[in-house]
Amino acid sequence: NAGVTQTPKFRVLKTGQSMTLLCAQDMNHEYMYWYRQDPGMGLRLIHYSVGEGTTAKGEVPDGYNVSRLKKQNFLLGLESAAPSQTSVYFCASSYLAGGTNTGELFFGEGSRLTVL
Amino acid sequence: AQSVTQLDSQVPVFEEAPVELRCNYSSSVSVYLFWYVQYPNQGLQLLLKYLSGSTLVESINGFEAEFNKSQTSFHLRKPSVHISDTAEYFCAVTANYGGATNKLIFGTGTLLAVQP
Repeated sequence: NAGVTQTPKFRVLKTGQSMTLLCAQDMNHEYMYWYRQDPGMGLRLIHYSVGEGTTAKGEVPDGYNVSRLKKQNFLLGLESAAPSQTSVYFCASSYLAGGTNTGELFFGEGSRLTVL
Repeated sequence: AQSVTQLDSQVPVFEEAPVELRCNYSSSVSVYLFWYVQYPNQGLQLLLKYLSGSTLVESINGFEAEFNKSQTSFHLRKPSVHISDTAEYFCAVTANYGGATNKLIFGTGTLLAVQP
């Protein structure tokens, strides 16, 4: 059982380049999230999705775009990378229990992005 | 909106000693509370959660946390730590709306450093 899988795990970009991080989950979860983790700041929500074809902004959405064309996949795009986007990115998913999203998250192993 | 405060960024402790990691939250509505653990170079894993019922919740590896509504706290404790407990611990909160758009808000994390 793979759970939540993120690709790539490491990437180095130059300022202005674009890239896409892919998140795939095999648990049939409704909700998916992208977080970034920076030292001393914990995890901050970038964007999230409550179902196929839907996306919404989190705390720090600027400079990122997302898409959820299929229920199992959630893509995070950087159109023009900046050094401030150097971070570790985590994808997570969650499920409905009795019609309620309890907020319990299942995380991928992270993608370390460095922007030079 | 909800918020979480973890006042201790790092807690050093000797092996077999007790430990408490503090977490306070702020919310105008009822909440669900979580502790997640992150081992080096890994994603976050759920350690324990409070959704409803008994205010004392336990994990399978000896940690426990108590929901204290009057003090808006959810401190994590373990009576005797092991070297293998060395990790970063994140407290998280989400509103108990019972609805579809619950989002998890994380604290900044506490590094538990267990020394021999």
